[in-house]
Amino acid sequence: DAGVIQSPRHEVTEMGQEVTLRCKPISGHDYLFWYRQTMMRGLELLIYFNNNVPIDDSGMPEDRFSAKMPNASFSTLKIQPSEPRDSAVYFCASSLYNPGDSGPQHFGDGTRLSIL
Amino acid sequence: LAKTTQPISMDSYEGQEVNITCSHNNIATNDYITWYQQFPSQGPRFIIQGYKTKVTNEVASLFIPADRKSSTLSLPRVSLSDTAVYYCLVGKMDSSYKLIFGSGTRLLVRP
Repeated sequence: DAGVIQSPRHEVTEMGQEVTLRCKPISGHDYLFWYRQTMMRGLELLIYFNNNVPIDDSGMPEDRFSAKMPNASFSTLKIQPSEPRDSAVYFCASSLYNPGDSGPQHFGDGTRLSIL
Repeated sequence: LAKTTQPISMDSYEGQEVNITCSHNNIATNDYITWYQQFPSQGPRFIIQGYKTKVTNEVASLFIPADRKSSTLSLPRVSLSDTAVYYCLVGKMDSSYKLIFGSGTRLLVRP
């Protein structure tokens, strides 16, 4: 079975550029999550969707970040304009049920983002 | 809000059993306890989940006492490949609460 697929795996870009990260969740999963991981702050939940609807975006750092889920098989996380402090590994995860209600989150391999 | 507390790091040797304890004093009645493992450059991977008593799968066991204020992840006969960060999570996502991964426990298995 295909797991959560993220692209690109690595992204290096200059400050001020627009960055778009992509995620394809596991088919049939109703929940999709975007996380950011850094050494300083650990693994932070940015936003999550249930049935394509954003439920909680309180973790999104600021207005430069936006996330969409136009359909059940695709989501994007966009940063515009990007800044060096956005450099991190961004993970997408999906789950069949609410992850605390018996059932795991399945994580992708992440996108390592470097903003110069 | 069920926050969790875990040791920052642990050391072990190959072949030993490793027990990592997580404290969650404010766990709610309906909260599950979930453990994840993360290797460098990879996303977290689900290990085990439980509600009470004991749960065992092919990878690990999870021991939960009757008061559920703590839980212990047990890894039998660890190998070098078990070197990873282990996270304990309690609760579920809803409009007022988010599952938080925290700092986890960094396990180092030595030869």
